[in-house]
Amino acid sequence: DAGVIQSPRHEVTEMGQEVTLRCKPISGHNSLFWYRQTMMRGLELLIYFNNNVPIDDSGMPEDRFSAKMPNASFSTLKIQPSEPRDSAVYFCASSAVGGGGDTQYFGPGTRLTVL
Amino acid sequence: GDSVTQMEGPVTLSEEAFLTINCTYTATGYPSLFWYVQYPGEGLQLLLKATKADDKGSNKGFEATYRKETTSFHLEKGSVQVSDSAVYFCALSDRSNDYKLSFGAGTTVTVRA
Repeated sequence: DAGVIQSPRHEVTEMGQEVTLRCKPISGHNSLFWYRQTMMRGLELLIYFNNNVPIDDSGMPEDRFSAKMPNASFSTLKIQPSEPRDSAVYFCASSAVGGGGDTQYFGPGTRLTVL
Repeated sequence: GDSVTQMEGPVTLSEEAFLTINCTYTATGYPSLFWYVQYPGEGLQLLLKATKADDKGSNKGFEATYRKETTSFHLEKGSVQVSDSAVYFCALSDRSNDYKLSFGAGTTVTVRA
């Protein structure tokens, strides 16, 4: 079984550039979550979707961050313009909510470095 | 709101030692409880879970029991190996909070040969 797939695994960019992170959830899962992990703040939930609809984006730090889920098998997290303080590891996770399926499965993460 | 408090690290052990990581929680509903493990340079992997009081989750020699009376979910392993070196996260998921995961701060465990 393919797990959650994220790309790219590593991204190095310069301040001011646009960054797009991609996620493919596990087939059949209907919830998708984007997290950010830093040493200072630990794991933070940025946004999550149920059935492709954004439910809670209160964790998105600024308007520079946006996320979309155009279909059940694909989501993007975009940062425009990027800043050095956005450097972190970004994780995507998916789950099959309902029927007791509340376990989230995480992708390998994208390590973002903004110079 | 929901919250998880776990034992601060780092924890350093010798191989074959006994490991305990304490975790307590606060929740308004009836949460499911999880332990995730993050190996260096990797994402979080589900280690074990328990969905109701007195359930015991187990995997790879690790165990944790859902204790409603003490609101705890302590992780234990009887004999650790060097390969168990990782960061361990306690978490809860509550239907009343839309199944969002609330994480503890993580405990770094290093096992020395």
